[in-house]
Amino acid sequence: DTEVTQTPKHLVMGMTNKKSLKCEQHMGHRAMYWYKQKAKKPPELMFVYSYEKLSINESVPSRFSPECPNSSLLNLHLHALQPEDSALYLCASSQFYMGVNTEAFFGQGTRLTVV
Amino acid sequence: AQRVTQPEKLLSVFKGAPVELKCNYSYSGSPELFWYVQYSRQRLQLLLRHISRESIKGFTADLNKGETSFHLKKPFAQEEDSAMYYCALTGEYGNKLVFGAGTILRVKS
Repeated sequence: DTEVTQTPKHLVMGMTNKKSLKCEQHMGHRAMYWYKQKAKKPPELMFVYSYEKLSINESVPSRFSPECPNSSLLNLHLHALQPEDSALYLCASSQFYMGVNTEAFFGQGTRLTVV
Repeated sequence: AQRVTQPEKLLSVFKGAPVELKCNYSYSGSPELFWYVQYSRQRLQLLLRHISRESIKGFTADLNKGETSFHLKKPFAQEEDSAMYYCALTGEYGNKLVFGAGTILRVKS
C-alpha cells in the first residue's frame, strides 16, 4: 500500500464551525506533513510531524490545530476559519534520515470551502 | 532560508520537440532537489530526485551547484507529458520540502 488517504474529499464549513481533516498512511513512514494549496499556487508547508512529534510549525494561525495520534494518522482540527482559508489541504508522508529525504507521498487532498 | 525559483509559468511545445523546465534554488547548505509532477485530476507525485540520477519517463535533471540550478530536460516531448511540474528542495535535515511556483507544460500535437 503506497497511498496516503485523506478524508473528506470536500468540506464546506461555516466560520463558527469546528471540523477535522484526516490523513492516513500505512507505509511505515515516520514523517507526516500538512500543506495548503491555493488555486494555481504551489503547496505551502504548514506543519511537519516527525515520530509523532510536531517538529515544524510554519507560523500557522492557531485556528489550525494539528494532531498526530499515532504513526499512521494525522489530523488537522479547524475552528473559527475565515473565507481566505478556503483551499486544497494536502497531507503527505515520507521516510527520512538525517541529511537524506526519501520520496514524499501525497494524498489527493481535501477541498475546503469556508462560507 | 530555502527558496526555489521556476521562472516560467507556462511552457508550450510541439510533440517531438525538446523540453527544458528551468529551476534555480537558493540554499546555504547541501540541498536535496526533486521534481514533482501533477497530471490533470491526479495527486502530486515524485518524478525524480537528484540523488538517484535516474531517467524517468525520458526526463533527466542534473544538479549544477555552481549555477544553483536543477533544470528538467527531455529530448522529445510527448502529449502525455502535459502537466504541472514543481521543482522542490529540502535542506540537510530532510524534513522541510519547499516548492517552486510550478511550470505548466503543454505539449501540442
